[in-house]
Amino acid sequence: NAGVTQTPKFQVLKTGQSMTLQCAQDMNHNSMYWYRQDPGMGLRLIYYSASEGTTDKGEVPNGYNVSRLNKREFSLRLESAAPSQTSVYFCASSRSAGPEKLFFGSGTQLSVL
Amino acid sequence: RKEVEQDPGPFNVPEGATVAFNCTYSNSASQSFFWYRQDCRKEPKLLMSVYSSGNEDGRFTAQLNRASQYISLLIRDSKLSDSATYLCVVSPSGNTPLVFGKGTRLSVIA
Repeated sequence: NAGVTQTPKFQVLKTGQSMTLQCAQDMNHNSMYWYRQDPGMGLRLIYYSASEGTTDKGEVPNGYNVSRLNKREFSLRLESAAPSQTSVYFCASSRSAGPEKLFFGSGTQLSVL
Repeated sequence: RKEVEQDPGPFNVPEGATVAFNCTYSNSASQSFFWYRQDCRKEPKLLMSVYSSGNEDGRFTAQLNRASQYISLLIRDSKLSDSATYLCVVSPSGNTPLVFGKGTRLSVIA
């Protein structure tokens, strides 16, 4: 009963390093999302994929890229990490975009030094 | 004006108390509304949807006031296990992603 699985759970990077956060869901959902959560800022949408083959920018896309590899997987890439990208990242999925229940992964704590 | 606004709290209440949170939204075309719960260092999870007629799930009651553009969550007989952050979530319209408020933190004290 995996649901949404994201890896890694923790990561420390140096400024300028790159990394990819992986996310996979096993619920046959069409839509997938990447959020970041910072103290006092709430959840902010980085990118989303309404359906396989499409991706769209959210509220805070700068410094990130995404790939919807297939229906199950949606990855988030930081090409050149900056301290401002220190955050908790959540992947989520839903049956479709819009007013549907979101299922979240357990989060990735990322620190950029 | 932010799309979804909540009082961040914290609300510190004794066990057994009744507590209410409000949330306002700016987009009058918003169609659907939800409350999510997030425990410390955990992912958010859906608590309940909010219907126009209001809805109740055990000790939790959610209300929607479209005219004033706010939704509310009432928790009766608070338990220690209710301590969490409660996120107000709005679906603007169509197939656009959900918009999250920053959350209201609740601490229930023994």
